[in-house]
Amino acid sequence: GIQVEQSPPDLILQEGANSTLRCNFSDSVNNLQWFHQNPWGQLINLFYIPSGTKQNGRLSATTVATERYSLLYISSSQTTDSGVYFCAVGRGSNYKLTFGKGTLLTVNP
Amino acid sequence: SAVISQKPSRDICQRGTSLTIQCQVDSQVTMMFWYRQQPGQSLTLIATANQGSEATYESGFVIDKFPISRPNLTFSTLTVSNMSPEDSSIYLCSVDGGSTDTQYFGPGTRLTVL
Repeated sequence: GIQVEQSPPDLILQEGANSTLRCNFSDSVNNLQWFHQNPWGQLINLFYIPSGTKQNGRLSATTVATERYSLLYISSSQTTDSGVYFCAVGRGSNYKLTFGKGTLLTVNP
Repeated sequence: SAVISQKPSRDICQRGTSLTIQCQVDSQVTMMFWYRQQPGQSLTLIATANQGSEATYESGFVIDKFPISRPNLTFSTLTVSNMSPEDSSIYLCSVDGGSTDTQYFGPGTRLTVL
């Protein structure tokens, strides 16, 4: 099956700093999503981005499908950004997603 | 976006027993998915549940251990059978967002097996 690698595995920031999270995948995909899992376990969809660039407030994402990677940018980080960020990919029309191992982000005040 | 609820939110169970987890969506959806998240790990898809057909299980998961029902377009259940401590995990249901291709997740069920 398709492999998804995320980096870095852990990241510690001071409030106000910027960060870039990376997701590499091993095969062509037609579905790529970024999720944030908060400390209570809830998964929130951040972006559906199989290609191109999107922005939502302090967050933005870029996927370069031909080179099989996606980047998630977090600017002016806040303590509420803490949690695990997952990249998940899918192929075909069955909506099944394969998740990476995630990046654990800790934002300190 | 879809609003998803799960019951129970958490449970502590004894080895050898079974637990049924419910997933309710506020709108009709074609596909529902069940995932397992073991402690400190990523999410692994257990099965895909379509209304009116048998669930499709991923490699490593079998119907006898994780029977699934999908009686209508807004509801599904996952049963964890004959539990062992290795089944201690968060179990999450999700749905596809239809035309948006976004996937939405329920709040999860935290299961501890003693």
